[in-house]
Amino acid sequence: GAVVSQHPSRVICKSGTSVKIECRSLDFQATTMFWYRQFPKQSLMLMATSNEGSKATYEQGVEKDKFLINHASLTLSTLTVTSAHPEDSSFYICSAKPGQGAWETQYFGPGTRLLVL
Amino acid sequence: GESVGLHLPTLSVQEGDNSIINCAYSNSASDYFIWYKQESGKGPQFIIDIRSNMDKRQGQRVTVLLNKTVKHLSLQIAATQPGDSAVYFCAETNPGSNYKLTFGKGTLLTVNP
Repeated sequence: GAVVSQHPSRVICKSGTSVKIECRSLDFQATTMFWYRQFPKQSLMLMATSNEGSKATYEQGVEKDKFLINHASLTLSTLTVTSAHPEDSSFYICSAKPGQGAWETQYFGPGTRLLVL
Repeated sequence: GESVGLHLPTLSVQEGDNSIINCAYSNSASDYFIWYKQESGKGPQFIIDIRSNMDKRQGQRVTVLLNKTVKHLSLQIAATQPGDSAVYFCAETNPGSNYKLTFGKGTLLTVNP
């Protein structure tokens, strides 16, 4: 149980284009999903918290107009990187919580490798 | 600011040995801790968690110890296997963070056959 999927697993795009990444909870409903970015040999950095039916909450320094988040249902959240630039190349990982309690574990997706040329 | 960090960035052990990965945290309000394993090119995988009202929790071949006095967390892996080779992250959350996880820097565990 508690499986989270991401699509695509890998994407290459040209600078200036937009890329959409999907995050799905396959066997549970997730009121809250999280989006992280991870650069090589570094830890995960939280970008934003995605809440079903409401606006996402972005961490300090993350541009909300550049990283658009839509939590359309209890099993799907999408991250759109708009006008991508080479510095946006990174490993993007989502996670989801089955419940709303403080001590609920987050389960992570397999990640999406984005390369912007 | 508040942070979760690791003492050792790399750890190399022989197959069959026990491994101990350490983590220090600075937020005294942290009340839930999780260890994740991340293999190259993959997302983090849940290993074991512990709440602040406990000081020890055991799973299959893994044990997490929590020392709230010195704000220290450790992950013990018994009979380490080559498949255990990965980066291990500790993460914490607290009531004031709206359930957001703060990750440590990670420790690369290499198991030599």
